[in-house]
Amino acid sequence: GESVGLHLPTLSVQEGDNSIINCAYSNSASDYFIWYKQESGKGPQFIIDIRSNMDKRQGQRVTVLLNKTVKHLSLQIAATQPGDSAVYFCAEINSGGYQKVTFGTGTKLQVIP
Amino acid sequence: DTEVTQTPKHLVMGMTNKKSLKCEQHMGHRAMYWYKQKAKKPPELMFVYSYEKLSINESVPSRFSPECPNSSLLNLHLHALQPEDSALYLCASSPRADRTDTQYFGPGTRLTVL
Repeated sequence: GESVGLHLPTLSVQEGDNSIINCAYSNSASDYFIWYKQESGKGPQFIIDIRSNMDKRQGQRVTVLLNKTVKHLSLQIAATQPGDSAVYFCAEINSGGYQKVTFGTGTKLQVIP
Repeated sequence: DTEVTQTPKHLVMGMTNKKSLKCEQHMGHRAMYWYKQKAKKPPELMFVYSYEKLSINESVPSRFSPECPNSSLLNLHLHALQPEDSALYLCASSPRADRTDTQYFGPGTRLTVL
């Protein structure tokens, strides 16, 4: 079936460095993508989203890149801080099933002080 | 008010008990969702409500019974659960029910079934 997956289950980054979290998706009908951050014991927190008519979107310290040719999504975090330590999920929604969010398997980001 | 709230935060119940989880949002969102999340796994969709009507049931066992009394409130009634139902139960809401939109999550209820 269709799936959204991540290449790396755990990513360790030195404080102050940039982080890149990758995600591959297989449903070419997906037209909306979201990155969520989930800290231990909490619900997923919206970080940034991007629609399929865009290649790049920037927020505060975060950038999402979308490559529809290879069905790849990435989240870049600039100047990573200890508070960025969490599990990051990419998620996709397609216009055919607009309310059904399919989550990737998640990447755990560990920031080394 | 810009958040989704869930009560209780933690719940321990026996397999013969009946309990309910509650979710509330006052953002005027018209779609609400229940998810189940096991440890170290992504959330899995259970139910979707659009304009207070059940629109998606992801083949969830009948021991889970959702209810949407009004546009701000979503309940999940639990009865005769199994130990494998122990998980974090997440509620979410989104502004529109008729187009793709960001879903905003509550903090979850940590459920343990003994």
